[in-house]
Amino acid sequence: DIQVTQSPSSLSASVGDRVTITCRASQVISNYLAWYQQKPGKLPKLLIYAASTLQSGVPSRFSGSGSGTDFTLTISSLQPEDVATYYCQKYNSVLWTFGQGTKVEIK
Amino acid sequence: EVQLVQSGAEVKKPGESLKISCKGSGYSFTSYWIGWVRQMPGKGLEWMGIIYPGDSDTRYSPSFQGQVTISADKSITTVYLQWSSLKASDSAMYYCAKGAPFDNWGQGTLVTVSS
Repeated sequence: DIQVTQSPSSLSASVGDRVTITCRASQVISNYLAWYQQKPGKLPKLLIYAASTLQSGVPSRFSGSGSGTDFTLTISSLQPEDVATYYCQKYNSVLWTFGQGTKVEIK
Repeated sequence: EVQLVQSGAEVKKPGESLKISCKGSGYSFTSYWIGWVRQMPGKGLEWMGIIYPGDSDTRYSPSFQGQVTISADKSITTVYLQWSSLKASDSAMYYCAKGAPFDNWGQGTLVTVSS
């Protein structure tokens, strides 16, 4: 099975900071990588698919990059409303695994 | 408007069976994967499995294979997740979600298993 490892598990940053979360697959998954945001007590929300394509309605401060095995979610300027847990997910082949999640807090 | 509407919260005893549902509307039901995701209290998202209602192609996470059954009824645009014998450790929120990746989510079904 292809494993997906997300890091860090949590981070604390100031409003306006650039925040980066990484996701590494144990094998090549092309660009079949998505990022989700889950705010406390809310449903998960798709932010990015195909590694770098922004879902409709998602603020442009969110961006994704990478291909193959290494992927990154970047928030260019952290806002208070971005406090959430972020998950990556691979969705190629038979198994669609989630990363372990990264909890983002405001310092 | 795409909607996934899940069945209501359940309280069950260990050993009981359960089938929860997810009804899709506002899109071509047979043309998109629908998956199930478990979230235990205070924990992350776990991908359980997916079904393609068009041909009932079903795939399971190894962690859930043999523990649950995913099925679909095209005639009523509904996907199901069922257990034959619940355990306390099955207590969690269960979400259905559509697409590849999951671009629409159901509201969640809280399952509580307690003696």
